[in-house]
Amino acid sequence: SAVISQKPSRDICQRGTSLTIQCQVDSQVTMMFWYRQQPGQSLTLIATANQGSEATYESGFVIDKFPISRPNLTFSTLTVSNMSPEDSSIYLCSVEDLRGVVTGELFFGEGSRLTVL
Amino acid sequence: AQSVAQPEDQVNVAEGNPLTVKCTYSVSGNPYLFWYVQYPNRGLQFLLKYITGDNLVKGSYGFEAEFNKSQTSFHLKKPSALVSDSALYFCAVRGGFTGGGNKLTFGTGTQLKVEL
Repeated sequence: SAVISQKPSRDICQRGTSLTIQCQVDSQVTMMFWYRQQPGQSLTLIATANQGSEATYESGFVIDKFPISRPNLTFSTLTVSNMSPEDSSIYLCSVEDLRGVVTGELFFGEGSRLTVL
Repeated sequence: AQSVAQPEDQVNVAEGNPLTVKCTYSVSGNPYLFWYVQYPNRGLQFLLKYITGDNLVKGSYGFEAEFNKSQTSFHLKKPSALVSDSALYFCAVRGGFTGGGNKLTFGTGTQLKVEL
C-alpha cells in the first residue's frame, strides 16, 4: 500500500484558476516538503511545511502564489494560485522521516501532474 | 552553496552490459549523497545513499555507487543492465544530517536507455 498519497494524480486546468494538491502520509512526520519538477528539468524545492507554523519558502517562491497548509502531522496541501502555462509541472510531496525514523533520504509521493492551458 | 552535476543527459547501454551514470557534487562539510530513480509518470524512488562508512554502497535492484572524496564523485553503477532499468536517474546531495535541517539538492537527471 502507498505510504505517501497525493491527489489529484493529474489535472488539466484553465489559466487563471487555482488548484489544491493534497498529500496524505500514513504515519506522523515532522516536516513535509513540496517540490516542483518542470518538464524535462530537475526537482526544485518550493517550501517546507511544519505543523503549527507557517511554511518556509525557498527563493523564488512566495506564499501568495503557493499557499501551503499543514493542519496535522500526516497531511498537507499545496495550492497553485492564478495558474499560467508556466505552472505546468509535476508537484511532489516528500517527507524525511517515516514512522519516527530519520534515515537521511526523502520519501516521495507519486506526484501531481498539472497541465495549464 | 551545494550543487550536483550529472554531465550526461542520456546514457545508452545494451542489455547485459555494465552501466555507469555519472555524478559529481560540491558541498561544504561531509556530503550525504543519494540516488533516486523516476519511472514514467511516477514519483521518485530511493535507490541508495552514502552517509558514512564504506565507499562502495549497494542499493536496490542490483545498483551500487562508489563515493570518491578526492574526485567529489558518486557514480551509479550496475554490472549487468536490464531493459527494465530504463528510467530517469537523479543524483542528490545534502550537506548535513539533522532532521529537517539541510536541503536536498538534485542534479538535472540522466535518462538511462537500455536496449536489447
